[in-house]
Amino acid sequence: ETGVTQTPRHLVMGMTNKKSLKCEQHLGHNAMYWYKQSAKKPLELMFVYSLEERVENNSVPSRFSPECPNSSHLFLHLHTLQPEDSALYLCASRRHTGANTEAFFGQGTRLTVV
Amino acid sequence: ILNVEQSPQSLHVQEGDSTNFTCSFPSSNFYALHWYRWETAKSPEALFVMTLNGDEKKKGRISATLNTKEGYSYLYIKGSQPEDSATYLCAFSSGGSNYKLTFGKGTLLTVNP
Repeated sequence: ETGVTQTPRHLVMGMTNKKSLKCEQHLGHNAMYWYKQSAKKPLELMFVYSLEERVENNSVPSRFSPECPNSSHLFLHLHTLQPEDSALYLCASRRHTGANTEAFFGQGTRLTVV
Repeated sequence: ILNVEQSPQSLHVQEGDSTNFTCSFPSSNFYALHWYRWETAKSPEALFVMTLNGDEKKKGRISATLNTKEGYSYLYIKGSQPEDSATYLCAFSSGGSNYKLTFGKGTLLTVNP
């Protein structure tokens, strides 16, 4: 257990659906991240929040919409996704955004878009 | 664009063998180098965070070295065990945007009993 919990673990959605991924941490961390992992690719950074403020949007399409209502919770709202968006979505948190702090990851949500 | 390269892509060793893999990263504007271990169906878990040139860190049978001037880090596993089987990821951050961790594709290690 890393202290970072993601739900759901698996999600199948149609291209016209709207769904949300949830991430929760009670480690007292101030920074939260969304990463995407597609097959045979490295982890790709999507969004970074520091103290509930978005500090990075790594050229992610607008069909992915993050939300960080407080420092313990992070959401990724999904709508009108494409089949190529099928991937493992990982949430991570860090004590702060300083580079010498390790990241704690959730187990990920395996998303399939049909 | 920051490129983090890991080699080899995959590796099979016998139980008891020692092994090592490489992470290479841009040597300019270095800030930190992270190593993570990712077992199947689990979360990636931090092994080491290294910031200083010449750093050597050790955790049990696993150790890592860092050369920031030439842009590489080695991860060593001594006396591999089947439970060491996992994907080993390295991640780099630079001074310009030190909150970003750029990951390599990982090295998949399989230790055969």
